[in-house]
Amino acid sequence: ILNVEQSPQSLHVQEGDSTNFTCSFPSSNFYALHWYRWETAKSPEALFVMTLNGDEKKKGRISATLNTKEGYSYLYIKGSQPEDSATYLCAQFSSNDYKLSFGAGTTVTVRA
Amino acid sequence: DGGITQSPKYLFRKEGQNVTLSCEQNLNHDAMYWYRQDPGQGLRLIYYSQIVNDFQKGDIAEGYSVSREKKESFPLTVTSAQKNPTAFYLCASSIDSAGENEKLFFGSGTQLSVL
Repeated sequence: ILNVEQSPQSLHVQEGDSTNFTCSFPSSNFYALHWYRWETAKSPEALFVMTLNGDEKKKGRISATLNTKEGYSYLYIKGSQPEDSATYLCAQFSSNDYKLSFGAGTTVTVRA
Repeated sequence: DGGITQSPKYLFRKEGQNVTLSCEQNLNHDAMYWYRQDPGQGLRLIYYSQIVNDFQKGDIAEGYSVSREKKESFPLTVTSAQKNPTAFYLCASSIDSAGENEKLFFGSGTQLSVL
């Protein structure tokens, strides 16, 4: 089982402020990095799948970067809105065992 | 509407009892997965299936069993051998085995509790 870690575990941000948080993973046998958003009482939904070192992806006000050499990915939320409140999960797909290993998530609460 | 349907939403198990969680998808996806979530932990893979009539153990398969008789269906049985079954169970599917571009589509989950 890969050790995928996310930090912080939770954070609170004022509406309109920007924030970011981290996913770290073993850099060896890297194949892909997934980000999912999980809103309360809903199903997790995919945000990004990233594969190349230096990749940057954007979806609305949310963006992500990937550094496969040092084993980390950042997720950024620009101008946070209450609807951004959710738990954000990252998962690494390894070429070692061809399975996704999930971090425990970062729970974001946006205060109006 | 295409998607993944899990049922029931809540399930209670008596000691010594086997219970089955249902997962159905109409996305025509080949691969299906079962994950377990415990508080403060990442999702952990129980079983996965890449094709009909075939499945593999994940990281925490002990005390669980699955079948994949139809492409659309991947039920999970929590047996009496699973000593700590209380958890939130998520079913997922992907077009093919999760990899470079194969994002997961999730169901809404089943909360299993022990009476």
